[in-house]
Amino acid sequence: GENVEQHPSTLSVQEGDSAVIKCTYSDSASNYFPWYKQELGKRPQLIIDIRSNVGEKKDQRIAVTLNKTAKHFSLHITETQPEDSAVYFCAASIGSNYKLTFGKGTLLTVNP
Amino acid sequence: DTAVSQTPKYLVTQMGNDKSIKCEQNLGHDTMYWYKQDSKKFLKIMFSYNNKELIINETVPNRFSPKSPDKAHLNLHINSLELGDSAVYFCASTLRLNTEAFFGQGTRLTVV
Repeated sequence: GENVEQHPSTLSVQEGDSAVIKCTYSDSASNYFPWYKQELGKRPQLIIDIRSNVGEKKDQRIAVTLNKTAKHFSLHITETQPEDSAVYFCAASIGSNYKLTFGKGTLLTVNP
Repeated sequence: DTAVSQTPKYLVTQMGNDKSIKCEQNLGHDTMYWYKQDSKKFLKIMFSYNNKELIINETVPNRFSPKSPDKAHLNLHINSLELGDSAVYFCASTLRLNTEAFFGQGTRLTVV
């Protein structure tokens, strides 16, 4: 089955710096790659997603890149703010099944 | 107008007891899921239902039995609770494959 590796497990940055979280996946048939943000004690919420026919997608301060050849995708957050502090999860799924496989999460801390 | 709602939010029970968690979505989605989030924040899929039919059962002990009376509801019954069942259980739903998953607020189960 699909395996998603996520790095780093923790990331601490200063406010205003950029943060990058990287994920790799194992199944070349995966074609949907969402990113979820989970604040402490809250539910995971989608922040951005990308499909396999696109190499990059941007939404304000957040961007995701996908390298299908390397089976690698990354989340980039620019101009970080304290409210960006949360656990971020990458995930991957194959279009033909109903299974979304998550990475183990990255705890991002943005220091004021 | 909560999209995906779970009850109860907290559940504390003794080993050996049987308990249920209920989930309802008002989004008109066809697919619903149960995820388990352990103390290390790892999100792991347990079950997936599409149009009331079980699609995925991720090697979950048969003490866990999901039931979907209709497309809007997916309940989780757990028999003979064990200490290792302590976790946060999230219900989620998607409109179709490879689209945003909407999560419930989670049920924190503590087995003592």
